Amino acid sequence: DGGITQSPKYLFRKEGQNVTLSCEQNLNHDAMYWYRQDPGQGLRLIYYSQIVNDFQKGDIAEGYSVSREKKESFPLTVTSAQKNPTAFYLCASNAQTGGSSYNEQFFGPGTRLTVL
Amino acid sequence: AQSVTQLDSHVSVSEGTPVLLRCNYSSSYSPSLFWYVQHPNKGLQLLLKYTSAATLVKGINGFEAEFKKSETSFHLTKPSAHMSDAAEYFCVVSVLSGGSYIPTFGRGTSLIVHP
Repeated sequence: DGGITQSPKYLFRKEGQNVTLSCEQNLNHDAMYWYRQDPGQGLRLIYYSQIVNDFQKGDIAEGYSVSREKKESFPLTVTSAQKNPTAFYLCASNAQTGGSSYNEQFFGPGTRLTVL
Repeated sequence: AQSVTQLDSHVSVSEGTPVLLRCNYSSSYSPSLFWYVQHPNKGLQLLLKYTSAATLVKGINGFEAEFKKSETSFHLTKPSAHMSDAAEYFCVVSVLSGGSYIPTFGRGTSLIVHP
């Protein structure tokens, strides 16, 4: 049963702590993405990766970091430098074979992060 | 630069009446366009996508969208709303950036369905 898993579903963080959100996919997709969702603002791109060991900043990368050591995994770390991290975080992937623009994204179920 | 605008933040309909969710895009190239649906506290699910094969695109759950190049629009419609259609809907344009296609999301339209 192929898909994307995110864990944990809910995460609570104290101010000043770093936390890491997990994203795993078994779809054999090359590209993976992290989005932040806030009410009324849609999805905003944090980081994306087209290939293992390579990633690029999105529109709101400050205060976040990522790694892509394996094709299946794209963890996101929310650092203490992120001043307002409370949000819903979504991971996605797609098959960017041949540079096609027609490949839709597949999304995980999301992680809701709350800063206490 | 490419962008996408969803013209309504909220749309309210009665069950059994038609649904219209509006989306306009801006693109220098022939765009790739998508509609996704999100139920509360869930991930997004693809409803349909425009791939230039046909201007009228049929998706899941009875939804369809028509690509109109002259109006730069890709509105989502459904003939008869069901209570289970209540959700957030996102229009997406795929943008060429640095040799890769990066999806750009509209701000979303919340569909409210009254009994």
